[in-house]
Amino acid sequence: DAKTTQPTSMDCAEGRAANLPCNHSTISGNEYVYWYRQIHSQGPQYIIHGLKNNETNEMASLIITEDRKSSTLILPHATLRDTAVYYCIVRGASGGSYIPTFGRGTSLIVHP
Amino acid sequence: KAGVTQTPRYLIKTRGQQVTLSCSPISGHRSVSWYQQTPGQGLQFLFEYFSETQRNKGNFPGRFSGRQFSNSRSEMNVSTLELGDSALYLCASSSNPGGQPSGNTIYFGEGSWLTVV
Repeated sequence: DAKTTQPTSMDCAEGRAANLPCNHSTISGNEYVYWYRQIHSQGPQYIIHGLKNNETNEMASLIITEDRKSSTLILPHATLRDTAVYYCIVRGASGGSYIPTFGRGTSLIVHP
Repeated sequence: KAGVTQTPRYLIKTRGQQVTLSCSPISGHRSVSWYQQTPGQGLQFLFEYFSETQRNKGNFPGRFSGRQFSNSRSEMNVSTLELGDSALYLCASSSNPGGQPSGNTIYFGEGSWLTVV
């Protein structure tokens, strides 16, 4: 799996958009970008994933640069419940078994 | 549709004992993987099973083992427990390990908190 780099921590005001960046400069053509988050004492929660097009679901939007070397997870209207550690990982999607490697993630604190 | 279910949720064991943790994947998922999470090492991959066969194994000692049953349910066992085995053990499931063009999303359970005293 390609390695990812994320800021250690970020903070955001409640109601504002939270933009979490991720660098994955060594990503290869068949590797997807996945985002998970983990609230203290719980298992990681799947948020969104994408290959090269921007993606949106009910939780967040994922913006992937054209060269695919970086991406940004956007929480459009952050709430206090979005306070969590956010992990950006990349993993392949075809052939064999690709084990995701989790880094330290970004600790997002949403404040009132 | 029920998510990944792990039991027990919390447990305390003594050094030298052994422990078995259980995981029921999402219905229809055939791949189950296990992870260990500690404050010092973060989330580390233990092993992955698909169709009752171990497909991948992380860098953990032989005291850590697992198996998968024909109904895709999985168990992991840790023998001769050490204090350093205290951790959150996470199980995750996916439809298959190889993936499909749209990606192969892994879904996690809530984990089993193991404390070794």
